Amino acid sequence: DGGITQSPKYLFRKEGQNVTLSCEQNLNHDAMYWYRQDPGQGLRLIYYSQIVNDFQKGDIAEGYSVSREKKESFPLTVTSAQKNPTAFYLCASSIVASGTQYFGPGTRLTVL
Amino acid sequence: AQKVTQAQTEISVVEKEDVTLDCVYETRDTTYYLFWYKQPPSGELVFLIRRNSFDEQNEISGRYSWNFQKSTSSFNFTITASQVVDSAVYFCALSEPASGTYKYIFGTGTRLKVLA
Repeated sequence: DGGITQSPKYLFRKEGQNVTLSCEQNLNHDAMYWYRQDPGQGLRLIYYSQIVNDFQKGDIAEGYSVSREKKESFPLTVTSAQKNPTAFYLCASSIVASGTQYFGPGTRLTVL
Repeated sequence: AQKVTQAQTEISVVEKEDVTLDCVYETRDTTYYLFWYKQPPSGELVFLIRRNSFDEQNEISGRYSWNFQKSTSSFNFTITASQVVDSAVYFCALSEPASGTYKYIFGTGTRLKVLA
């Protein structure tokens, strides 16, 4: 089945640690996105990539990093510089940058 | 600046009632896209509809219908004969191609509770 997978579903991190969230898609989509969702709020864009080996900062990129070495994969690293990382992280992809975005199931990150 | 407002934080209805979720947007562009997504308790956002700014025709899909009115900058979503499975958080979003990023601006969502 075609789709977007995110792993792990739940992630616990100690303060000061970097963690990497996985996002994989087999839809052959060019564009991929990372969003953060906090309780009672809409989604905010962290990073996006319109093509392999290229990515741009979104509205809240500080404390995060990404890579796009393969079309299918867009991992997100939450670094220790992110002051308040506890949130629900959603990955999305679209066939092209202007296309409709489809979302993965999300990863819930909790900092202990 | 672009903005999406979903003023209804939470709505509760009894099963089989009709319910309308409001979405008001702000944009200076003449070309833009509007979306509705459903987020069930599992967390994944499910795409419902995409509408471009040049198409003001209302759309109906089963029990779902959408009313797009540029004059009032609104893109409202109506569920007819609601069911318990409709319980979810619903997000409205705006995208402006002229920005070059195609990023989505999301509203804060409306939580719909359908009671049996």
